Amino acid sequence: KAGVTQTPRYLIKTRGQQVTLSCSPISGHRSVSWYQQTPGQGLQFLFEYFSETQRNKGNFPGRFSGRQFSNSRSEMNVSTLELGDSALYLCASSPAGTGDSPLHFGNGTRLTVT
Amino acid sequence: QKEVEQDPGPLSVPEGAIVSLNCTYSNSAFQYFMWYRQYSRKGPELLMYTYSSGNKEDGRFTAQVDKSSKYISLFIRDSQPSDSATYLCAMRGNTDKLIFGTGTRLQVFP
Repeated sequence: KAGVTQTPRYLIKTRGQQVTLSCSPISGHRSVSWYQQTPGQGLQFLFEYFSETQRNKGNFPGRFSGRQFSNSRSEMNVSTLELGDSALYLCASSPAGTGDSPLHFGNGTRLTVT
Repeated sequence: QKEVEQDPGPLSVPEGAIVSLNCTYSNSAFQYFMWYRQYSRKGPELLMYTYSSGNKEDGRFTAQVDKSSKYISLFIRDSQPSDSATYLCAMRGNTDKLIFGTGTRLQVFP
């Protein structure tokens, strides 16, 4: 069974630009969560989607948005990039998104903002 | 105060040692507890998953949860250089987001 796939693996953007990251969950998984990982803050929860609906949201500004498609694939978008947005963005999927179904992570997209 | 506290290390041990990794938490609603291992340039990989208090063993790995003390541990027996990675504890209630510790860097030297 294929794991969680994230594309692209690396991105370099300039301040003020916008970026879209893509995530394909494990087949059959309907919940997709996004996390930001930085050396100082660790893994910070961005949002979770289940059956195309945002079910949970973290404490990030509105510049961070996401969506989920009917095939469970998900995208996240960051507009008006800031230097502080440089991070590893991780996508994770689970069958139902409840506590009894652990998250399985992709290898992330490394975003560098210059 | 963070909801989940984890000693960042780094922890450096010789091959064959027993390693103890720990996290404390403050939210009594947490019921599901996980340990992830993350190698450099990779995403976190699920190692252990436990529900409520108790012990769970899988090969060289043992996870312990003590809900009364709000304390969880991961023990690695007969540690190997290939165990060198960052270990992340994570926990959640039933429908809440998964909350992570900041991770402990472990290095096992031959």
